[in-house]
Amino acid sequence: NAGVTQTPKFQVLKTGQSMTLQCAQDMNHEYMSWYRQDPGMGLRLIHYSVGAGITDQGEVPNGYNVSRSTTEDFPLRLLSAAPSQTSVYFCASRQTTGAASGELFFGEGSRLTVL
Amino acid sequence: AQSVSQHNHHVILSEAASLELGCNYSYGGTVNLFWYVQYPGQHLQLLLKYFSGDPLVKGIKGFEAEFIKSKFSFNLRKPSVQWSDTAEYFCAVIPPVGNQGGKLIFGQGTELSVKP
Repeated sequence: NAGVTQTPKFQVLKTGQSMTLQCAQDMNHEYMSWYRQDPGMGLRLIHYSVGAGITDQGEVPNGYNVSRSTTEDFPLRLLSAAPSQTSVYFCASRQTTGAASGELFFGEGSRLTVL
Repeated sequence: AQSVSQHNHHVILSEAASLELGCNYSYGGTVNLFWYVQYPGQHLQLLLKYFSGDPLVKGIKGFEAEFIKSKFSFNLRKPSVQWSDTAEYFCAVIPPVGNQGGKLIFGQGTELSVKP
């Protein structure tokens, strides 16, 4: 089982460049989300989606866009990268109903450096 | 602001010592509670979760957590830690439906270092 797949694993950008972090899951999960992880700050929610065509902002949405055209895919776009966006990004998904609902399944993470 | 708080930033223990990591949340109503663990260089994995029922929840690897509704707490415990428990531990909450419902909000994390 592939679970949650994120690409790329590492990326270096210059300030002002744009890029897209890809996330795909094969578990038919309705809920998908993006977090960034920074030392001493835990995981902070950037954007999330409860189904295809539905997205909403999390705790730190500024500078990021998302879309959810299919159940499987939830890309995260950085429109104009800034050094403050240097972080490790995790995509995560979960069921929303049933006994297994609530548990998040995480991708391996994407380490982004903005120079 | 409503939040999830982990009061211990870094805990250092010797092997066989007992562990208790604090977690408090500030949401009213019914919440779902989780503890996740992140081993060095890896992504987060679920340790245990509480939705309803017995407030003492047992998870994997000998961990347990107690939900105390009156204290808005969900502390993680282990009677005897091992060197392999060295990791970062995150408490997380799904707030009540209608109040940021559906999102999983994480605490700041507690780094646990176990000395052999």
